[in-house]
Amino acid sequence: GAGVSQSPRYKVAKRGQDVALRCDPISGHVSLFWYQQALGQGPEFLTYFQNEAQLDKSGLPSDRFFAERPEGSVSTLKIQRTQQEDSAVYLCASSSVTRPVVGSYNEQFFGPGTRLTVL
Amino acid sequence: GESVGLHLPTLSVQEGDNSIINCAYSNSASDYFIWYKQESGKGPQFIIDIRSNMDKRQGQRVTVLLNKTVKHLSLQIAATQPGDSAVYFCAENSGGSNYKLTFGKGTLLTVNP
Repeated sequence: GAGVSQSPRYKVAKRGQDVALRCDPISGHVSLFWYQQALGQGPEFLTYFQNEAQLDKSGLPSDRFFAERPEGSVSTLKIQRTQQEDSAVYLCASSSVTRPVVGSYNEQFFGPGTRLTVL
Repeated sequence: GESVGLHLPTLSVQEGDNSIINCAYSNSASDYFIWYKQESGKGPQFIIDIRSNMDKRQGQRVTVLLNKTVKHLSLQIAATQPGDSAVYFCAENSGGSNYKLTFGKGTLLTVNP
């Protein structure tokens, strides 16, 4: 595809349910990012992959959040035992650089996001 | 703590006018700053970036100004068009990170025909 795709686009879950959100990055992109965007706020960093390695997960809000990218392409963000405060848009972004260069902007291409609503 | 914020949450302009969107940041260690545009139901889209060693950069109809003295960033859009209506975010690389971005809250720009 031409851009980053995410599925599903909308997800409604009952509190306590587990959810899995999928991200298909731009083909060949090495770096992959997950962000959480609450209503009316800017995106907040969750985690970063370089190929299949999860190099930074400092933004994951709790141990209920888990992300993986086992083959270095598609990534899944899993949220266990969802809570109402997990309601947000989850954005995935990818970047082509192999080794991000400090002091230079390595453009991140964003997908449309998955809107998660926890009832 | 580190923060990137915006002075104005909403901005309404007439088509053809110039728009200025402002942003304040607090982290002096950031190496670059980026402006993103986000339309309803879509992910953020890159507009323009500027490195910390620059004070001005121009793109197509857009100009970004960086004032490190007062830690202020602005995005100027010339001849604003209805298609420019969106939420605009400034972002910075968190604490000099080479991949982590910190986004501001956003400004909603509405262009009236």
